[in-house]
Amino acid sequence: KAGVTQTPRYLIKTRGQQVTLSCSPISGHRSVSWYQQTPGQGLQFLFEYFSETQRNKGNFPGRFSGRQFSNSRSEMNVSTLELGDSALYLCASSLEWPGTDTQYFGPGTRLTVL
Amino acid sequence: TQLLEQSPQFLSIQEGENLTVYCNSSSVFSSLQWYRQEPGEGPVLLVTVVTGGEVKKLKRLTFQFGDARKDSSLHITAAQTGDTGLYLCAGAGSIQGAQKLVFGQGTRLTINP
Repeated sequence: KAGVTQTPRYLIKTRGQQVTLSCSPISGHRSVSWYQQTPGQGLQFLFEYFSETQRNKGNFPGRFSGRQFSNSRSEMNVSTLELGDSALYLCASSLEWPGTDTQYFGPGTRLTVL
Repeated sequence: TQLLEQSPQFLSIQEGENLTVYCNSSSVFSSLQWYRQEPGEGPVLLVTVVTGGEVKKLKRLTFQFGDARKDSSLHITAAQTGDTGLYLCAGAGSIQGAQKLVFGQGTRLTINP
């Protein structure tokens, strides 16, 4: 079974731009969670989607948004990028919601904001 | 404020030594998971502990869940260079009215040959 895939793997943007990251969960997994990982803050929960609906949300500003499609694939969007948004963005899938059981992580998208 | 505090944050030891990593909280969790993350990859689940006082072994790694389900430890015996990585604990439970998984900041472990 293919694992969680994330595209792109690396991105360089400038302040003020927006970015869209994509995540394809493991086949059959219906819950997708997004995390931001930085050296200073560790792994911070962004949001979780199940059945195309956002079920949980972390403490991030409204510039961070996401969606899930009917095939469980998910995208997250960050608008008006700031330098502090530079991070590794990880997507994780799990079978059902809530996704507090085993989470399977993708390799992440490394976003650099200049 | 981190809900889960991991210590130490950094640990560098020689191959063959033993070590223990701690994961502490004032909150009760329904389960606690340990992940390992290597450079360029996402975290990979090592183990899940569910019952207070539970001990699980994975080869040279021993995981324990505290009796009150608020803390956990990871002990590695005779560390090997392949154990190098970022170790993350994650607690699952009802947090702010929703079922969530919260992560500690991680312990960056380096095993020197």
